[in-house]
Amino acid sequence: QSVLTQPPSASGTPGQRVTISCSGSSSNIGSNAVTWYQQFPGTAPKLLIFSNNQRPSGVPDRFSGSKSGTSASLAISGLQSGDEADYYCAAWDVSLNAWVFGGGTKLTAL
Amino acid sequence: EVQLIQSGAEVKKPGESLRISCQASGYTFTNYWIAWVRQMPGKGLEWMGIIFPGDSKTKYSPSFQGQVTISADTSLTTAYLQWSSVKASDTAIYYCARHPGNYKLWSGFFDFWGQGTLVAVSS
Repeated sequence: QSVLTQPPSASGTPGQRVTISCSGSSSNIGSNAVTWYQQFPGTAPKLLIFSNNQRPSGVPDRFSGSKSGTSASLAISGLQSGDEADYYCAAWDVSLNAWVFGGGTKLTAL
Repeated sequence: EVQLIQSGAEVKKPGESLRISCQASGYTFTNYWIAWVRQMPGKGLEWMGIIFPGDSKTKYSPSFQGQVTISADTSLTTAYLQWSSVKASDTAIYYCARHPGNYKLWSGFFDFWGQGTLVAVSS
């Protein structure tokens, strides 16, 4: 059972806008910034969003992040087949004194 | 170019000791944290702990405290994750990841990742 809660799967048709939610508590998302990682099968995770809504250099602006209270969201606009991957949210938990991750969301382009 | 190159796959028997490594290049090793993250087969990511090579300050997840040891050798720009006695439940892929040193731990992120080391433990 992950500390941060994500839906196990999400899907959309090419070109569509898809959102992935991440729910936490006052000790993690409510207190600290959220990061998002993208992981393709058999490869290492890649930083997608940091500080709630910042994109590292090289990440397309089709990817955006937001946070409100104890929840966060990752939005992918103009969905492409190449976006099919697992997506993880993460935040520092002040009660556990540790980084915590969501269980991951498998994104499928229909 | 920032790179984190991890050691190769390991096959161990329960009770054996193990150390895996993560060699960093392309940046000042002592200015960034290095974390270890576990991914069990078909499962999600779990943060194990982190070390700041500049002063060897280390922090562990409560779930992994006492189960593993994280260390670093600044002369080799290499971080390590070690077990004194592995168990079958340690079977997983282990990733190292860099955390910017100019961010507090609770406000930062993992910007570069190693390719992962597969550890298989079986009798």
